[in-house]
Amino acid sequence: SQTIHQWPATLVQPVGSPLSLECTVEGTSNPNLYWYRQAAGRGLQLLFYSVGIGQISSEVPQNLSASRPQDRQFILSSKKLLLSDSGFYLCAWSAVTEAFFGQGTRLTVV
Amino acid sequence: AQKITQTQPGMFVQEKEAVTLDCTYDTSDPSYGLFWYKQPSSGEMIFLIYQGSYDQQNATEGRYSLNFQKARKSANLVISASQLGDSAMYFCAMREGRGGYQKVTFGTGTKLQVIP
Repeated sequence: SQTIHQWPATLVQPVGSPLSLECTVEGTSNPNLYWYRQAAGRGLQLLFYSVGIGQISSEVPQNLSASRPQDRQFILSSKKLLLSDSGFYLCAWSAVTEAFFGQGTRLTVV
Repeated sequence: AQKITQTQPGMFVQEKEAVTLDCTYDTSDPSYGLFWYKQPSSGEMIFLIYQGSYDQQNATEGRYSLNFQKARKSANLVISASQLGDSAMYFCAMREGRGGYQKVTFGTGTKLQVIP
């Protein structure tokens, strides 16, 4: 069966520090992968999606970047975090009839 | 322009009653899919139901049904016999494309509160 791992679950980082969130998928090959951000009490904002290794599409210009070094690995990064980067980050992959989510990372930038 | 619009930021429903959560979408892709997810306070995303753009019948999964009106581009979620455990955020989402190219976007959500 397909599973998706996302870590860490929670993270507190100072302003100006770097960020690296990792997501890996098991049980499927060549998945379409996504990073979403959810501000408190708000909807899911699509940040990046990837249809293959090295192929990244950015939906919103921002302080973040994404990379896909391997087929089932998706990484969200920042060189210098801003206060506005705080939120709940979700990694996902999509099949035709369902999108599967990781457990999410609650990032607080202080 | 918003791809997915959920116009109800919050809804209340009496326990055991039915409730309809609204969702409209916008796409020029002839092949698309519509999803509903439930997000409790824990943050996990729970898949509820899926409707494909070519499906002739409205999707149903237990107490959940999707009222798909293609010409109106709406995909409302109907929850029958509401339970206290149904209190959560509900998100409508759309997949555009198939196969190697897909993109899934979400609406802003509706917070449902079930009243005893």
